[in-house]
Amino acid sequence: AQSVTQLGSHVSVSEGALVLLRCNYSSSVPPYLFWYVQYPNQGLQLLLKYTTGATLVKGINGFEAEFKKSETSFHLTKPSAHMSDAAEYFCAVSDVAAGNKLTFGGGTRVLVKP
Amino acid sequence: DGGITQSPKYLFRKEGQNVTLSCEQNLNHDAMYWYRQDPGQGLRLIYYSQIVNDFQKGDIAEGYSVSREKKESFPLTVTSAQKNPTAFYLCASTAPLYTEAFFGQGTRLTVV
Repeated sequence: AQSVTQLGSHVSVSEGALVLLRCNYSSSVPPYLFWYVQYPNQGLQLLLKYTTGATLVKGINGFEAEFKKSETSFHLTKPSAHMSDAAEYFCAVSDVAAGNKLTFGGGTRVLVKP
Repeated sequence: DGGITQSPKYLFRKEGQNVTLSCEQNLNHDAMYWYRQDPGQGLRLIYYSQIVNDFQKGDIAEGYSVSREKKESFPLTVTSAQKNPTAFYLCASTAPLYTEAFFGQGTRLTVV
């Protein structure tokens, strides 16, 4: 079975500082990996995804993530936090053999301090 | 505009009642999913359907039921057997050529 672990349920960063959200996964097959963002009382929006090819993936709003197979990690970063980055972030792995159903991590809530 | 529409946005249920959450998509996607979200637990899969008239249980299907009579629609019924139904419910869909899921805006269900 696939699983996703996000280290840290809450992260606090200062505006302009680096944002680093950690995600580790387990999968018996080459994984498809995703980061989603959720604003209060809304659905999830895709930030970026890794399927095949380049291991450094760039997404929307200045975020990027690097797939490291040896570490089974897919950490999300943004060089300079903005107040609008305050949200909850979810890492997910896709089970391609089962209709692309997603397994999610527990989420990390980001607080941005002015 | 193509997308997924969930209704209602807020729903209140009395104990012992069944309630149905609506999910409609006009993306022509084959697969649809229902997730439950509780604080600190991420999203957990309730049911999913890969084609019309077929669906499978997810990780937490007990107390829920679904139907898939049309490609566009995947309603979720929260039955009285679900002992702790208060949560945020999210519907999603995927297409064969795309790996990512598209989500609706969610329904917040509260038991009163």
